[in-house]
Formats: sequence, C-alpha cells, structure tokens
Amino acid sequence: DADVTQTPRNRITKTGKRIMLECSQTKGHDRMYWYRQDPGLGLQLIYYSFDVKDINKGEISDGYSVSRQAQAKFSLSLESAIPNQTALYFCATSDLRTGNEQFFGPGTRLTVL
Amino acid sequence: AQSVAQPEDQVNVAEGNPLTVKCTYSVSGNPYLFWYVQYPNRGLQFLLKYITGDNLVKGSYGFEAEFNKSQTSFHLKKPSALVSDSALYFCAVRDLRAGGTSYGKLTFGQGTILTVHP
Repeated sequence: DADVTQTPRNRITKTGKRIMLECSQTKGHDRMYWYRQDPGLGLQLIYYSFDVKDINKGEISDGYSVSRQAQAKFSLSLESAIPNQTALYFCATSDLRTGNEQFFGPGTRLTVL
Repeated sequence: AQSVAQPEDQVNVAEGNPLTVKCTYSVSGNPYLFWYVQYPNRGLQFLLKYITGDNLVKGSYGFEAEFNKSQTSFHLKKPSALVSDSALYFCAVRDLRAGGTSYGKLTFGQGTILTVHP
C-alpha cells in the first residue's frame, strides 16, 4: 500500500550495531504494527500501538523497542543487532472504521552479519 | 488465545483448474477472518475478509472464501486459476471478543505458496 512507507528498504549491518527502521502512514489510522517475516513462520507480531500513548509488546518483542512519535510514525529499533534478527520487517496500519483490515508497507529487508 | 493453521506449505495447480488454499482457525469468541496475498518483494495485499453474514465471501481478483463455523475453516478458492495467481497466501484471524490480550491483533498462519503451472 503506497500510503504506508518504510525506510530503509534494504539494510545490511553488523552484529552489535543499533538499527532503526521507520514507518510512516498517510491513511490517518490510529493503529500501527511491526511484524517480522521468516520463511515458513509467517508473520510474527513484534510490537503494536493503538494510539500515540499506547504501546504493547507482541509475540517476539525481546531485542526490539519501538517509538510512536506521532499518529503517523512508528519506529522499530534493534538496540544491538544479532544475526538471528535477519528477516523481512513489515509495518502495518489499521483502524476500527476499516473493519480491522490491516494495510502493509513494502517491507524492509534487514541482514545482520 | 487465537491461532491459525494453514496445513499445506505448497499448493500446485494447473492454469484453468480450480484452486483451494486451506485455513483453519481457533478463537474464543467469534472471528474476523482475512486472506492476504504476497507477491515477491512486495508487502501483503488484502484479498477478502469475513465478519458476519453470508458464509461465502467474494474478494479481489476473482477469489472467494467460505466460512464454515462447525469446521472452524475459512478456505480460499478460485474457480479458474491463472499463472499470475502464483504467490504466497496468508490466512489471518482476529478474535472479536472485546478486551483481553488478543483484542485488536491479527494472528497470521505460516503461509501457503501457490504455484499455478501453464
């Protein structure tokens, strides 16, 4: 969905480095999510936020942190990257008015060496 | 807790034949059910959803899905497959129960790779 953007699209980094992935949306949705995708495991929820002051851990939050800077922006940080965090990361948004359908960004491919 | 299972990692079908991608779910209350498609190097795209009403839901690109409450299934179907339908398909569920740890979250299956052969 072009209304949900992610930067960077690709990133290669080294073990121990701090990495930030950014997500912005122009859909006006109040809910935002971060997922990681690994082959054969589907999508796993890392963190989600139902509004600027509401942030919740998902299924696999260890090693990650998030910041909801504004309704339209939701950043994911890896404080000290490790190789098993190599994955495809997706941001998504939703809104009660849309029947909770989630709209996904194009993804960020992260490689930790 | 809510969960989704897609029992087939891969589905292969010839172009022009009907296709089915299977999904079963588990929720405590009533479910919202979704199908998404992912093409290579792209994000997930919404195909269709079931909330209430008619058990047969029609969606994008000629896809449809049938909700079966007794079998807790939501299989994706298409009467005549196209080569361009080849992609990774995800089923997802949301528990409609208000409150609780699962409120508002989608749980995704592990995905099924659909390959349509010419």
